[in-house]
Amino acid sequence: GQSLEQPSEVTAVEGAIVQINCTYQTSGFYGLSWYQQHDGGAPTFLSYNALDGLEETGRFSSFLSRSDSYGYLLLQELQMKDSASYFCAVRDLDSNYQLIWGAGTKLIIKP
Amino acid sequence: GAGVSQTPSNKVTEKGKYVELRCDPISGHTALYWYRQSLGQGPEFLIYFQGTGAADDSGLPNDRFFAVRPEGSVSTLKIQRTERGDSAVYLCASSPMGGIENQPQHFGDGTRLSIL
Repeated sequence: GQSLEQPSEVTAVEGAIVQINCTYQTSGFYGLSWYQQHDGGAPTFLSYNALDGLEETGRFSSFLSRSDSYGYLLLQELQMKDSASYFCAVRDLDSNYQLIWGAGTKLIIKP
Repeated sequence: GAGVSQTPSNKVTEKGKYVELRCDPISGHTALYWYRQSLGQGPEFLIYFQGTGAADDSGLPNDRFFAVRPEGSVSTLKIQRTERGDSAVYLCASSPMGGIENQPQHFGDGTRLSIL
């Protein structure tokens, strides 16, 4: 079966940089996605990596190493509005290519 | 509307009752997904529609759960003989297409279901 591991909580200071790690175990890996969810809100798509390397979108970047079954989300110039939960999710053969989600990382930003 | 709309936003009912949750996806999106999210957990896949047909219902926990999408747009998730363990936020998402091509999924705000 599939499993994803990410830290349950990360704390950072406004203006700083934070990295949220995700390790996974799957069969027939087909991409790693990141979503943001504010309390009581809808998950919103942030990024997707199918190949090794870094994808940059504004203040957010996402990295994937398929050989290490590992990825991370990097958030730069943190703002208070970035306080939210961040989920990594994988698609693989065993899940019929449906998204399998981690338990999420709650990011707490302090002024 | 511009986004995915889910109604009701909250539903409280007694154990054993029947409930229907509605999802109105983004216009033109052929793929529609239902998820269930418990507190402190990530969304859990329930069912995926491509057009009118359920392309993958492997996530439905048992036969009390059923979903339809008769005209390929609005979908209804139906839960019979509700149990307290069904309490969760039910999320709906849509994307332009489904299948193995990765496309961002656009989520609604969910229906918070509470079974007393």
